[in-house]
Amino acid sequence: ETGVTQSPTHLIKTRGQQVTLRCSSQSGHNTVSWYQQALGQGPQFIFQYYREEENGRGNFPPRFSGLQFPNYSSELNVNALELDDSALYLCASRDNGRGGESGANVLTFGAGSRLTVL
Amino acid sequence: GQNIDQPTEMTATEGAIVQINCTYQTSGFNGLFWYQQHAGEAPTFLSYNVLDGLEEKGRFSSFLSRSKGYSYLLLKELQMKDSASYLCAVRAPSARQLTFGSGTQLTVLP
Repeated sequence: ETGVTQSPTHLIKTRGQQVTLRCSSQSGHNTVSWYQQALGQGPQFIFQYYREEENGRGNFPPRFSGLQFPNYSSELNVNALELDDSALYLCASRDNGRGGESGANVLTFGAGSRLTVL
Repeated sequence: GQNIDQPTEMTATEGAIVQINCTYQTSGFNGLFWYQQHAGEAPTFLSYNVLDGLEEKGRFSSFLSRSKGYSYLLLKELQMKDSASYLCAVRAPSARQLTFGSGTQLTVLP
């Protein structure tokens, strides 16, 4: 089975610009989450999508928005970029319908998109 | 809210055993996860605890005490490739998000 793939891997933007990051979920996974990871920090939850609707959101402003498509792929959009938005953006997917052997419902992460805002 | 603490850095020798501790204070709990993250790579799942006790998986074991808000990850027979960041994460009762600690950067020396 394929894993979670993200694009682009690296990009540079300037303050005030907009960015779109893309994610293809692992095969069979219907739930996707996005996390922001600043350097030297743990990932922070941005939001989660299930059946093309946002069903959970962390402490991020509305200029962070997303989409989930019928094939479960996803986008993260950030408007009016600020310097503090520089980070690694991680996409993660899971199957909401199965808990797995242990009921863990494990998130599978992609390698991330590293955004630098100048 | 959720607060998760783990040491910033640890160093150990190849072949040794290391224990990485994690304490948490949360408004709800629905499982604790450990992930490994090599520099520039995706976090990869190591272990999951939802009940008190020890879960063993090869060279890696994880322990949970819900009453103490405490977990540890035990790595045995350390190898150079175990040099990485180890992330402790607590799942919210809604199961919609993980709250991560800042990670423990483990360096394995020859």
